[in-house]
Amino acid sequence: AQKITQTQPGMFVQEKEAVTLDCTYDTSDPSYGLFWYKQPSSGEMIFLIYQGSYDQQNATEGRYSLNFQKARKSANLVISASQLGDSAMYFCAMREGPYQLIWGAGTKLIIKP
Amino acid sequence: SQTIHQWPATLVQPVGSPLSLECTVEGTSNPNLYWYRQAAGRGLQLLFYSVGIGQISSEVPQNLSASRPQDRQFILSSKKLLLSDSGFYLCAGQGENTEAFFGQGTRLTVV
Repeated sequence: AQKITQTQPGMFVQEKEAVTLDCTYDTSDPSYGLFWYKQPSSGEMIFLIYQGSYDQQNATEGRYSLNFQKARKSANLVISASQLGDSAMYFCAMREGPYQLIWGAGTKLIIKP
Repeated sequence: SQTIHQWPATLVQPVGSPLSLECTVEGTSNPNLYWYRQAAGRGLQLLFYSVGIGQISSEVPQNLSASRPQDRQFILSSKKLLLSDSGFYLCAGQGENTEAFFGQGTRLTVV
């Protein structure tokens, strides 16, 4: 069974609009971490934001915020005021245990001018 | 800060030739290290991970092998490349309770 599910293979969004990228996860471990990464066409993986399973507040980093709904096992990434440079692949990942990193299939985001 | 140096950035190799991709880590000690392969437009496939020197775990049986001769050195190898080995290879590291950090990737084309 998929442990990390990103249901949106691709999205088109108008520049300056907010974007929500979906991520649901499945784990029985009470201690886990959730990550979002951006991968532009150059291929590098850029860390965006992290949410720990015990964190009480949703994580925020500049224009990025993570909508963490623990009961629903979802960790959606919200990008406010999207920019052309936000066009990229976005990956959700979960750390389960000391070294297990589990990755979603990714969402390709295209920002339209 | 934690960084990974991975080289080369691109590589074109004939079928049947050997492969050696290397990455080195700076800014942290005893990280977990990972080799991933990524097909075009797809997610990351974990190939190998290492929790310490000489400790390698393989996730997918295949034509590749990995070694960790030093704490901050992780090597991906093959004795004979196949066409199906083409792809984008990423080396990653992760310290305790930190996010994973990545190298720049190697785009391998087997011809």
